[in-house]
Amino acid sequence: AQSVTQLGSHVSVSEGALVLLRCNYSSSVPPYLFWYVQYPNQGLQLLLKYTTGATLVKGINGFEAEFKKSETSFHLTKPSAHMSDAAEYFCAVKTGTASKLTFGTGTRLQVTL
Amino acid sequence: DSGVTQTPKHLITATGQRVTLRCSPRSGDLSVYWYQQSLDQGLQFLIQYYNGEERAKGNILERFSAQQFPDLHSELNLSSLELGDSALYFCASSVGPLNTGELFFGEGSRLTVL
Repeated sequence: AQSVTQLGSHVSVSEGALVLLRCNYSSSVPPYLFWYVQYPNQGLQLLLKYTTGATLVKGINGFEAEFKKSETSFHLTKPSAHMSDAAEYFCAVKTGTASKLTFGTGTRLQVTL
Repeated sequence: DSGVTQTPKHLITATGQRVTLRCSPRSGDLSVYWYQQSLDQGLQFLIQYYNGEERAKGNILERFSAQQFPDLHSELNLSSLELGDSALYFCASSVGPLNTGELFFGEGSRLTVL
């Protein structure tokens, strides 16, 4: 069965600092990996996705993630945090033709002045 | 705005009651997915429909049922409600039957069971 683990339910960074949100996956077959963001009182929105090909994936709002098979990781980064980045971030995995997206438990990002 | 519309946004009801949540997918999307988000369970996949047919089933309780109508809107029916059913219920949509992972989510229906 596929799963993702997000390390840290809460992360706090200063505005302008590096954002690093951690995600490790478990899958017996090559996974498709995703990061979604949920702003307060809104639904989830796709930030970026990895399917095949280039392992460094760029998404919206300056975020990127790198697929590292040897580490079974797909960490999300952003060089410089902005106040508007405060939200909950979810890592998700899907394998093959399965319809189900399996989400992690989420990481709440707080950005302070 | 994702283009996915969910109603109602908020719903408060009592244990034992039945409610219906409604979802209209993005224009052109044929697949609809239902997810439940709660503090203790996180985001759980419930069920997927594609063009009116059930496509995939997740952790959906027998007290819950869903359907997708010819106009592609979907309804999630929750019956014999329990306190533990209190959660945020999301609908998402995508174009085709095979989930590429790019889902468009509505803003959710928050159900409170008292």
